Amino acid sequence: DTAVSQTPKYLVTQMGNDKSIKCEQNLGHDTMYWYKQDSKKFLKIMFSYNNKELIINETVPNRFSPKSPDKAHLNLHINSLELGDSAVYFCASSPGSGGSYEQYFGPGTRLTVT
Amino acid sequence: KQEVTQIPAALSVPEGENLVLNCSFTDSAIYNLQWFRQDPGKGLTSLLLIQSSQREQTSGRLNASLDKSSGRSTLYIAASQPGDSATYLCAVKGGSEKLVFGKGTKLTVNP
Repeated sequence: DTAVSQTPKYLVTQMGNDKSIKCEQNLGHDTMYWYKQDSKKFLKIMFSYNNKELIINETVPNRFSPKSPDKAHLNLHINSLELGDSAVYFCASSPGSGGSYEQYFGPGTRLTVT
Repeated sequence: KQEVTQIPAALSVPEGENLVLNCSFTDSAIYNLQWFRQDPGKGLTSLLLIQSSQREQTSGRLNASLDKSSGRSTLYIAASQPGDSATYLCAVKGGSEKLVFGKGTKLTVNP
């Protein structure tokens, strides 16, 4: 009965490969997010979708492409992986995109690019 | 551009002590402020959410305060326990509707 789940939990891959991370929430929320936590543990937003529409797109290389097939899922596809993409990627969701809503986070996906 | 600072970066206390973690933010035009806990190798657990119109929120041994005009929030932990050891993150939500995080305070409570 996990609220926000991510797969895989760990991902080790070589430079140049393409990989995807999946996120699902069973909370009935309308808004989902992707965050990146770098090696210094700093968390920064990458993307946000509200009801399958992109509403936040931070300065992220266009090798990163989010896709929301429905409002319960937000996947992150990364092309041509680079060493600097190694990080922990967190998915989150909230009831809506309005200011007052609390965000709920998934367990994270640790990506290691070798 | 919103910036969030947390002081101290690390804190070590003996069990049973009351403690305060500090968070400051540069832009007071926020919707809310959220305190999270992160255990090593784990995700984020939301502890408390304070709306911009509120002054404080309490949950068990935790109390968070918000002074929006001065751009400050504190997280008070009463009677600390070894199980409270974790990194505590403060995040604010502003007009752009994205959460901006501080770098966290790593708390160690020694038995």
